[in-house]
Amino acid sequence: AQRVTQPEKLLSVFKGAPVELKCNYSYSGSPELFWYVQYSRQRLQLLLRHISRESIKGFTADLNKGETSFHLKKPFAQEEDSAMYYCALNAGNNRLAFGKGNQVVVIP
Amino acid sequence: DGGITQSPKYLFRKEGQNVTLSCEQNLNHDAMYWYRQDPGQGLRLIYYSQIVNDFQKGDIAEGYSVSREKKESFPLTVTSAQKNPTAFYLCASSTTWGGTGELFFGEGSRLTVL
Repeated sequence: AQRVTQPEKLLSVFKGAPVELKCNYSYSGSPELFWYVQYSRQRLQLLLRHISRESIKGFTADLNKGETSFHLKKPFAQEEDSAMYYCALNAGNNRLAFGKGNQVVVIP
Repeated sequence: DGGITQSPKYLFRKEGQNVTLSCEQNLNHDAMYWYRQDPGQGLRLIYYSQIVNDFQKGDIAEGYSVSREKKESFPLTVTSAQKNPTAFYLCASSTTWGGTGELFFGEGSRLTVL
């Protein structure tokens, strides 16, 4: 069965410090992974997907099939990065299985 | 303004009552989904529909029902059989072709059972 694990519920970092959100998955097929973000009083929205291999708002994530991980990283956190972040796995037919989420608080 | 509209935003209901949450999209998406969001639980899939007149149970379908009579609409009924209905409910849609995996979400409906 597919599963997405995000081990840390709350992450507090100082502005300018690096931030890393961990995501591990279990899936028998070829995984498609995503990071979604929910800013305060905004809708949940796609941040980035592994197939695009792009950097969005300074965030990157690399799929590591050997470690079954898709960690999200940003070298220098900004206050506007404070949000809830969800790692998600496409379980087939665009049915996304989400992790429990990470609340990120960037301290000025 | 294109997107997904959920209504109502806030809803209160007494125990034993059924309640229906509305979800409408004008993105011309084939697929629609209902998720439940609880603190510390993330998002859990309730029901999804890949096409009109067809829908499938998700991971936590018990106590819920849906219909998909129109492409634009995917209402969710929370029945009295749902043991813990107080939650934040999110509707989403996506294209089924291309397999991009991007879901577009509504603003959510918060249901409180008194």
